This record gives sequence, C-alpha cells and structure tokens, in this order.
Amino acid sequence: GNSVTQMEGPVTLSEEAFLTINCTYTATGYPSLFWYVQYPGEGLQLLLKATKADDKGSNKGFEATYRKETTSFHLEKGSVQVSDSAVYFCALSENNNNDMRFGAGTRLTVKP
Amino acid sequence: EPEVTQTPSHQVTQMGQEVILRCVPISNHLYFYWYRQILGQKVEFLVSFYNNEISEKSEIFDDQFSVERPDGSNFTLKIRSTKLEDSAMYFCASNKQGASNQPQHFGDGTRLSIL
Repeated sequence: GNSVTQMEGPVTLSEEAFLTINCTYTATGYPSLFWYVQYPGEGLQLLLKATKADDKGSNKGFEATYRKETTSFHLEKGSVQVSDSAVYFCALSENNNNDMRFGAGTRLTVKP
Repeated sequence: EPEVTQTPSHQVTQMGQEVILRCVPISNHLYFYWYRQILGQKVEFLVSFYNNEISEKSEIFDDQFSVERPDGSNFTLKIRSTKLEDSAMYFCASNKQGASNQPQHFGDGTRLSIL
C-alpha cells in the first residue's frame, strides 16, 4: 500500500543554517505529495505541494522537488529562522484514494 | 482566509462514555475527513465523507465510530464507549473537490483525553 517515510527527528539547528528533511514514498500510481507544518498548539497547515514528477513546490523559503526516480520529496530551506520551529509532516494522496497518508513527522527546533 | 474550526479544543471523558467531536468545514467544501494522531505517533486517516455518506474508512474506523453531517455546516465524529487508547488529537479536514492533487485544509484539532 501507499506509505511515507521521513527522517526521524528531532532536528536542532542554529539560525541561518541549511535545512534538509528527507522524505521518501511508496505508491502504486502517481501520487500528489505535500508537506504540512504543525506549529506548537496548532493544527496542520499546508506548507507546499507538488502534483507530478519534477514539480517543485515552494513557500516561505521552503522547497521540495518531486523526484519520481528516487521516490523522494525532500524538504529544504537555505536559512532557517527561530520561527520555523515546528513539526513537519510529509504526506501523499493518490487518485484511487482520497485519504492522505502521513509520515511520522520531524520536529525541528531552531536556536538563536 | 476561511478556516476549518473544531470544538472543543480539549475534551476529557470517562472511559466507557460517548463523546462527540465537532467540526465546521470551510463553507464551500464538499469533502470532509477525520484523522487521529496518538501522542508521539503519526497522523492516521480515519474516514472521508462526501454527499452525506462515508466514501472511505480505515481499519481504525470500526463500529465504535460514526460520522454525521447533521445540518449544512457541522460535521461530527462520535465515539461510543470510549477506551483509554482513544486518547489522541483528532483532526478534521475538508477540501473542495476531493481530488488527490487538492490539499486538505485542517482544523486545529480536538485533544481527547480518556480517563
């Protein structure tokens, strides 16, 4: 079945450091891929998405490229801020299902 | 920007009691979902709902659970005879079209604590 595996945390970085959170997926067809972010005490917010191979999603300085050949959708940001501290979830959705499959989440803490 | 709203934000219930979690999806959305996140674990799909009926459900969504759209705005999750292991964050989500390339919009969740 469909599943998402993402890098286990927690990840702790200093402000302005480069961030990568790895995400790989398993799917039977051609899924759409998403990154959601969960700030402390809040719900899940869509961060970015990509719906086909080689698409790049971007938002708030974060980027992720849909790589079909490596079944990956790694999240990157060139320079993190303290306000980026949150839990990040990689997720996929596929045409045959309208449920969303989430990774386990990666907690990011950015220190000043 | 329109939001999905969930009430209450925290619900404490005695084991064996029934609980109803409430959600107001975004007004022009047609597809509704419930997810569960047990503390420290991943977000898990429970059920999707469209056109006043369940369109999909996971193996977690057994006879203990039910969903309802009692009026034009609310979407509820009922858990009968709650168990300790039902303690979790429950998230409601909605989207307009239900297509896989459409993101789902999530509420802030209801934290359910079973004592």
